[in-house]
Amino acid sequence: EDQVTQSPEALRLQEGESSSLNCSYTVSGLRGLFWYRQDPGKGPEFLFTLYSAGEEKEKERLKATLTKKESFLHITAPKPEDSATYLCAVQSSSDQTGANNLFFGTGTRLTVIP
Amino acid sequence: EAGVVQSPRYKIIEKKQPVAFWCNPISGHNTLYWYLQNLGQGPELLIRYENEEAVDDSQLPKDRFSAERLKGVDSTLKIQPAELGDSAVYLCASCRDRVSDTQYFGPGTRLTVL
Repeated sequence: EDQVTQSPEALRLQEGESSSLNCSYTVSGLRGLFWYRQDPGKGPEFLFTLYSAGEEKEKERLKATLTKKESFLHITAPKPEDSATYLCAVQSSSDQTGANNLFFGTGTRLTVIP
Repeated sequence: EAGVVQSPRYKIIEKKQPVAFWCNPISGHNTLYWYLQNLGQGPELLIRYENEEAVDDSQLPKDRFSAERLKGVDSTLKIQPAELGDSAVYLCASCRDRVSDTQYFGPGTRLTVL
């Protein structure tokens, strides 16, 4: 059974204090790993897709990396506007229908203090 | 390009009443998803449509939930009758097709059942 565990559940950082969020996964064949950002009262906003171990992607202050067991979302010199919940999700290649269903973790709630 | 549109944004009803949610996906997106998100949790898939066909509804509680996607565009999710435990955010997402990876989410409908 697919499983996604995100840690920590919540993280408070001072503005400029870099840190990393973790997403550990168990899936019978990883097709893709996704990072989304969700602001209060809004739907998840797509950030990155990673497909294979060793892959990295960057967007502004965010950098996502992937290993065979986990993914990290590194936040460099965060700003208050980076405060949000960050969700990790996996797609399994074992889905017989070839569908791209996502299985989500519970998220990390990030607060960046000015 | 317009995003996924959902309405209403908020709904408060008494238990045992019916309720319906509407979703308009991104133009040209053939695959449509309905998710349920409880507070502090990640989204959980309820049903997936490929055009007008419901191809994955294994997680939809069929005794009280129903969905339709007429003409393969807009979709409606209905609950009848609603129970207290149905209070949650109902998210709609769309994807270009079953092969494409990225799902784009709407803002969600927050349902409160009293």
